[in-house]
Amino acid sequence: VQLVESGGGLVQPGGSLRLSCAASGFTFSSWGMNWVRQAPGKGLEWISYISSTSGTMHYADSVKGRFTISRDNADSSLYLQMNSLRDEDTAVYFCARLLAGKIDYWGQGTLVTVSS
Amino acid sequence: EIVLTQSPGTLSLSPGERATLSCRASQSVSSSYLAWYQQKPGQAPRLLIYGASNRAAGIPDRFSGSGSGTDFTLTISRLETEDFAVYYCQQFGGSPIITFGPGTKVDIK
Repeated sequence: VQLVESGGGLVQPGGSLRLSCAASGFTFSSWGMNWVRQAPGKGLEWISYISSTSGTMHYADSVKGRFTISRDNADSSLYLQMNSLRDEDTAVYFCARLLAGKIDYWGQGTLVTVSS
Repeated sequence: EIVLTQSPGTLSLSPGERATLSCRASQSVSSSYLAWYQQKPGQAPRLLIYGASNRAAGIPDRFSGSGSGTDFTLTISRLETEDFAVYYCQQFGGSPIITFGPGTKVDIK
């Protein structure tokens, strides 16, 4: 199992960014997936979940209305569209696979820095 | 909203000692959906315990989990140098669907 995030970088407040996660080594279309972030020196914050068929999505209140999770099962890819970015969105963003309520695999993360 | 509280915030111990980490939930959590993770600097978290007491694949038996309802415990029976890290508990199924505790740092005394 491998999860590889990309798309992070420096963006100004109010800007947008799209993160990607390339999955391999398992049947991607069978698993619910998540994005979890970690601000510098802080703890883990779950931000979004998408079911295997994209039929169900959940968001943390901190990103609801600004971030959109999506997936392409044909391409084994997970995405996070981030709009209206704020300073407090600065974090490492992890792609993570959910199995029966636990996260059994994590990517290495991609750093998003929101700053003017 | 289910809030997880971990204590202590920092635990200073020596190699060979026993570590006892606490995770308390603001509402009852299904034992099936309580997990523990270890994170070292610059690394992604690693799943240690799931279902409150089941060790994940490859996790040494010095790690054990227990508890139910609102009180859960992670125990490291004899600390090895590689065990000094931050530990997070996590619940699934409440609102929001996933929450993490703030973490307990286990550092070398």
